[in-house]
This record gives sequence, C-alpha cells and structure tokens, in this order.
Amino acid sequence: DNQMTQSPSSLSASVGDRVTITCRASQDSSNYLNWYQQKPGKAPKLLIYDASNLETGVPSRFSGSGSGTDFTFTISSLQPEDIATYYCQQYDNLPLTFGGGTKVEIK
Amino acid sequence: EVQLLESGGGLVQPGGSLRLPCAASGFTFSSYAMSWVRQAPGKGLEWVSGISGSGSSTFYADSVKGRFTISRDNSKNTLYLQMNSLRTEDSAVYYCAKESVLIPAARQSHFGHWGQGTLVTVSS
Repeated sequence: DNQMTQSPSSLSASVGDRVTITCRASQDSSNYLNWYQQKPGKAPKLLIYDASNLETGVPSRFSGSGSGTDFTFTISSLQPEDIATYYCQQYDNLPLTFGGGTKVEIK
Repeated sequence: EVQLLESGGGLVQPGGSLRLPCAASGFTFSSYAMSWVRQAPGKGLEWVSGISGSGSSTFYADSVKGRFTISRDNSKNTLYLQMNSLRTEDSAVYYCAKESVLIPAARQSHFGHWGQGTLVTVSS
C-alpha cells in the first residue's frame, strides 16, 4: 500500500499566519494527490485536487504543490473559519490511502 | 445539487451484519464511481471500498475484504455496503462519497461530494 505520512499532526497558529502542512508518500504518486478539510462533526470537503488545483468555490488562500513523493498544502493567511483537520489522499493506486491528518488550531 | 444520504447505521453485536444504503440525487448516478470511507471515533479517514459506475468492478481494503460487499442499483440511484462478520474495530462513521470519475482511482479522481455519514457501533 502507498502509505501517506502527514506532518505535523497538529499545529497552533495565529490569525493571519502562513500555515504549511506536508504529506509524504511511500511510493511515487506523480500528482495524484488530493487535500480535504474536515470540521468537527462534519463530512470532509475537497479543497485541492491533482496536487495543485483549487476546487471551485474554495478560497484562494488555500494552495497545494508537489509531485512524486513530497507534497505541500498551504494556507497563506489563516482565518478563524479554517480551524479543522486537513487530510491528504493519494489515488495513484488502490487501496486509496489518506494521511493521518493535521489538526489546525488558533493560538 | 448533489445529495448523498446514508442510512442503516446502528448498534450491532460482534459477528453480526448490517446493510448501509446511500441514496444519491442531483447527478447521473451511473456515470460516476462511488466509494465508502469510514472514520473510527477520534481517528482519521480510511477508504473501505469502491465501485465503478456500471457496478461491474469492485475494490476493497484488505481490512474488509471477504466480509464487506459493495454494490449499487443504478435504477434506484442507491449505493450499498453489506457488512458481515462485524468486528469491534469496524465501529466508525461510514461516509459514502462520489468520485469525479467512472472508475475508482482513475486519473483525476477525487471525492467532490460526501454524505453526512452514518454511525456503526459494533459492541456486545
């Protein structure tokens, strides 16, 4: 299986800060990587697909980059409504696998 | 508007069975692959199973292979997950998710729409 390792597992930042989350795949995944946001008690929401494409309607402060085994997710200016857990997910091969999640909190 | 509505969750004893339906609306159901993704309490997301738009191809995580069966009825716009030989570690919220493609994990695959989830608790 293609194991996805996210870091950090949690972070605390101030409103307006730049936040960066990394995701490392155990196998070359090209750009076959998606990012989701999950707020407490809610279903996940797609933010970024194919490593760097912003889903329609998602604020431009969210971005993604990377290819191969190393990927980065960035919030350029953290907002209070961004408090959530973020997951990466590869679809290079089955089984589809998710990273362990990064919980983002406000300092 | 795409809507996915899971049901069928509940409390079941270890070794028992449960069937989860997911009613879909707002899109051409047969044109998209569908998956089940679960989340144990306080844990991360785990893909469980996927099915192609026609229903002819099915895929499973090793953790459920041989115990769970995914299926779909395109005439009823409904996805199913039959869960047999349930274990305590199967306790989770189960989400159905619509893929962006016809076959799971095809190029440009992503889960653009999710249901609200249904809770399955396996306990004696």
